[in-house]
Order: sequence, then C-alpha cells, then structure tokens
Amino acid sequence: GQQVMQIPQYQHVQEGEDFTTYCNSSTTLSNIQWYKQRPGGHPVFLIQLVKSGEVKKQKRLTFQFGEAKKNSSLHITATQTTDVGTYFCAGDNFNKFYFGSGTKLNVKP
Amino acid sequence: DGGITQSPKYLFRKEGQNVTLSCEQNLNHDAMYWYRQDPGQGLRLIYYSQIVNDFQKGDIAEGYSVSREKKESFPLTVTSAQKNPTAFYLCASRLAGGNYNEQFFGPGTRLTVL
Repeated sequence: GQQVMQIPQYQHVQEGEDFTTYCNSSTTLSNIQWYKQRPGGHPVFLIQLVKSGEVKKQKRLTFQFGEAKKNSSLHITATQTTDVGTYFCAGDNFNKFYFGSGTKLNVKP
Repeated sequence: DGGITQSPKYLFRKEGQNVTLSCEQNLNHDAMYWYRQDPGQGLRLIYYSQIVNDFQKGDIAEGYSVSREKKESFPLTVTSAQKNPTAFYLCASRLAGGNYNEQFFGPGTRLTVL
C-alpha cells in the first residue's frame, strides 16, 4: 500500500544552524503538503506543492518537490527557537492523505 | 469565528466501553477526516467523508465507526473492539474539489482507556 517515509525522526540543532527533513513516497503523488505541529498542539498547514520540480519559499523555509513527484524536502535556514516542533509531510493520493512519521526539531538557544 | 472544534480535550474511559468523540466545523467544508496519532508517530487515517451521508474507511478503521448526517459534524465512535484505543485523535476538514488541499485540524482529543 501507499507509504510515505520521512527522515530523520529527530534533529537537534543549535540556534542558527540549518535543518532539513526529507520525505519519500512509494508511489507518485498528485501533490504534497507540509504541516508543523508545535508540542501539545495540532498540525498547522504550511504549504502545498503540486508541480514536478517545484520550489517554494516562505521566509527562512524552502520547500522542494522532486521531479518524479515521489519525494520532497523542507529546509530551514538559520533556525530559531520558534521553529521547534514536529514537521510532517502529507502525500495526496485521490483525496486520501498519507502522512510521514514526522521529524521532531529541537533548537537549542 | 470560523473553525473546527473537538470535544472534550481529554477523555477517560474504562476498558470495554464505547466512546464518541465530537468534531464540528463551521467552515462550510465538504470533506472531513479522522486521524489517530500515537507518540512519536505520524497521523494515520481512520475514516474520511467527502460528502454528507457518505464516508470511507481509512487505513486503520477496525474498531471505529463514524456518521456524517450533517455537513458540519463528523463524530467518531471508538468501540470496545478497538484493541488499543489510547491515543490522540485529530479531526480535520478541507474544502473538496479543485487542487488546493489544505486541511484544517481541530485541537484534538486525548483518549485514555483505563
């Protein structure tokens, strides 16, 4: 069945360092979304990528969708303590959404 | 104030009892979803509904049931057949149709079965 794998599971960085999380799907996706979940909170939508090879930026966050539409990445430049949380990708397959296991980011001040 | 609400925030039940989790949205969204989240894991889809009076099983539907009698409401019943019901349950909704798939999540219900 459909699977979305996400690595790493945890990442501890010093404030100011960069951070990247990667998602890989076992099948081609129509689109992929990224969500952030703060500790004790619920997932909040960050962005959606639709086109093959698409790159989108939100301030210090850069999102990429692979050419084959089977992988994606989220890169944060110069992390801040406000970036703490778990980042999830979610692949869309005919209106069913398959979430990666998430990458928990901890930022040390 | 538009949004999606879940109640209660915390729920304790004895083993063998059925329990119903509430999910309501006033966003006029067509599609609604129930996910289960276990510690250190991602979200797993339990059930989803694209339209009133219709719903489909997700990947882990066994031991759960839903109804969609109104567009605004999508309650989830955790039955005694669910072998490991203790988890964080998240409800989400989105505007169906088109290519924009942002899901709006409720605050979640943390269910503990004693």
